[in-house]
Amino acid sequence: KAGVTQTPRYLIKTRGQQVTLSCSPISGHRSVSWYQQTPGQGLQFLFEYFSETQRNKGNFPGRFSGRQFSNSRSEMNVSTLELGDSALYLCASSLGANIQETQYFGPGTRLLVL
Amino acid sequence: AQTVTQSQPEMSVQEAETVTLSCTYDTSESDYYLFWYKQPPSRQMILVIRQEAYKQQNATENRFSVNFQKAAKSFSLKISDSQLGDAAMYFCAYRAYNNNDMRFGAGTRLTVKP
Repeated sequence: KAGVTQTPRYLIKTRGQQVTLSCSPISGHRSVSWYQQTPGQGLQFLFEYFSETQRNKGNFPGRFSGRQFSNSRSEMNVSTLELGDSALYLCASSLGANIQETQYFGPGTRLLVL
Repeated sequence: AQTVTQSQPEMSVQEAETVTLSCTYDTSESDYYLFWYKQPPSRQMILVIRQEAYKQQNATENRFSVNFQKAAKSFSLKISDSQLGDAAMYFCAYRAYNNNDMRFGAGTRLTVKP
């Protein structure tokens, strides 16, 4: 089975722009979570989707949004980019939405905001 | 709010020796899961081991085992017979039943010396 894939792997944007990141979960997985990883703040939870519904959201401004499609693929969008949005964005998928489910992480998208 | 603390930013171990990584957490919940994730350099994060809070028996996975002390809110990871491939960032994480977002510690960078 193919693992979690994220596209693009690297991205350079300038302040004020918007960006869309994509995540394809493992086949059959219906839950997708997004995390932001920075040297200063570490790993922080952004949001979780299950069956096209956002189940949980972390403490991030409204500039961060996401969605999940019927095939479980997910996208996250960041509008009006700020320098502090530079980070590794990780996507993780799991079979269901139970908390004991193993989350399988993708390789991440490294975003640099100039 | 639940917080996860890893007090050791870096640890070093000789190949074939044993090392213990520390993790403490703060929660008022009684039902939750604890996880250790491994993030090798430039590679995807993978689950090492997990522990259900209601289970008194410590989880083990081959060379990896945990020392779960619920009253002390401590969840340490022991790696036996350390191998060069164990070198990575190790993250302790917490997830409660009533709040699905995963909380991560700041991580411990483990170096394995040949």
